[in-house]
Amino acid sequence: GESVGLHLPTLSVQEGDNSIINCAYSNSASDYFIWYKQESGKGPQFIIDIRSNMDKRQGQRVTVLLNKTVKHLSLQIAATQPGDSAVYFCAENLITYKYIFGTGTRLKVLA
Amino acid sequence: DTEVTQTPKHLVMGMTNKKSLKCEQHMGHRAMYWYKQKAKKPPELMFVYSYEKLSINESVPSRFSPECPNSSLLNLHLHALQPEDSALYLCASSQAIGPEWLFFGEGSRLTVL
Repeated sequence: GESVGLHLPTLSVQEGDNSIINCAYSNSASDYFIWYKQESGKGPQFIIDIRSNMDKRQGQRVTVLLNKTVKHLSLQIAATQPGDSAVYFCAENLITYKYIFGTGTRLKVLA
Repeated sequence: DTEVTQTPKHLVMGMTNKKSLKCEQHMGHRAMYWYKQKAKKPPELMFVYSYEKLSINESVPSRFSPECPNSSLLNLHLHALQPEDSALYLCASSQAIGPEWLFFGEGSRLTVL
């Protein structure tokens, strides 16, 4: 299930299940969006991106959906594995070179 | 070489010290970024250099001074910091043509005593 508290929202999923991580972005004029994975003590790692002229993009085990009407992004991870445990951030490109990150979601994979 | 290298990985400094964080990339990227990240928070943009010129300064206090000596190097000079400046400082780079994902380093963990 998903919980939201004073700190990072946390999503707990069973190994092998699919995960869906959501993100609301701020600016309707943003034209490019990125999902990052950040493991403890490391820098953010690129997962997948999508431009505003698309509503879906698939990678290896990951899919990003973009709903511009409600300014919403989601990241779907298929067959979640223990190695997927991390914090996931969405980022939007507001203007040239200005990339702003969302609040993040911690994904916990339960064995 | 497909990485962004940041040094030092850890830095402890007093409020009167002067220190620098360094970042290097050899991917031919012409945009380089400094972000600050506090625990359990998202990275916050501080500065962006494109083609070695400062493009964005997000109203960062002057005790942080960025420098881009050439297209491969980015420095962040630190002076008279406060304990609340303790954070993970992330460097990133990207192509400077059109929006593109940022390639991040592992960060420099700064503690100000």
